[in-house]
Amino acid sequence: QLQLQESGPGLVKPSETMSLTCTVSGGSISSSSYYWAWIRQPPGKGLECIGSLSYSGSTYYNPSLKSRVTISVDTSKNHFSLKLSSVTAADTAVYYCARQADFYYYIDVWGKGTTVTVSS
Amino acid sequence: SYELTQPLSVSVALGQTARITCGGNNIGNKNVHWYQQKPGQAPVLVIYRDTNRPSGIPERFSGSNSGNTATLTISRAQVGDEADYYCQVWDSSTAGVFGGGTKLTVL
Repeated sequence: QLQLQESGPGLVKPSETMSLTCTVSGGSISSSSYYWAWIRQPPGKGLECIGSLSYSGSTYYNPSLKSRVTISVDTSKNHFSLKLSSVTAADTAVYYCARQADFYYYIDVWGKGTTVTVSS
Repeated sequence: SYELTQPLSVSVALGQTARITCGGNNIGNKNVHWYQQKPGQAPVLVIYRDTNRPSGIPERFSGSNSGNTATLTISRAQVGDEADYYCQVWDSSTAGVFGGGTKLTVL
């Protein structure tokens, strides 16, 4: 059974770059049938797609975040990563990594989420 | 950018049918997916591609999509169905798009 686990700092200072990693277990990140995605949820608010990529390198980013976001994959470690630069308090959220089906783009496997707080 | 509109809340009597709508311009031409999220938990896929249920999701959950509205229907609502529900579509210009979410209360 595929499982995803987010990891990274829970506290980031304003203007810095936050980095999160999602480790995939129980399956290979190199599958051509899936994209690997990041979604976030600010406290008390709804879900927001950050972006996704395939193991071959195809990427999609939310236009509102595109200038600050980098998503990358490391097939040797079976994990993928999120970098978000120039963070502000508005980036405080629970960050989920997820598996997204290719072509139809529904999310069928989610990590448990990790809380990132932006504060000095 | 493409936008999805959901009611903030829906209430349903125990054992009755709840319907949660998701509005979008010509959404009937898109594939709509639905997620259930309980407090403190990650979302769970309950309907994909308009009408399909993943394994393990009760038959009480069903979906439809036509025109400018997609609908998630929950039959014989149970207390355990209380949650936030989100619709989602794919739009290549915006990556994925979620609706704002609907809080379902079972009375």
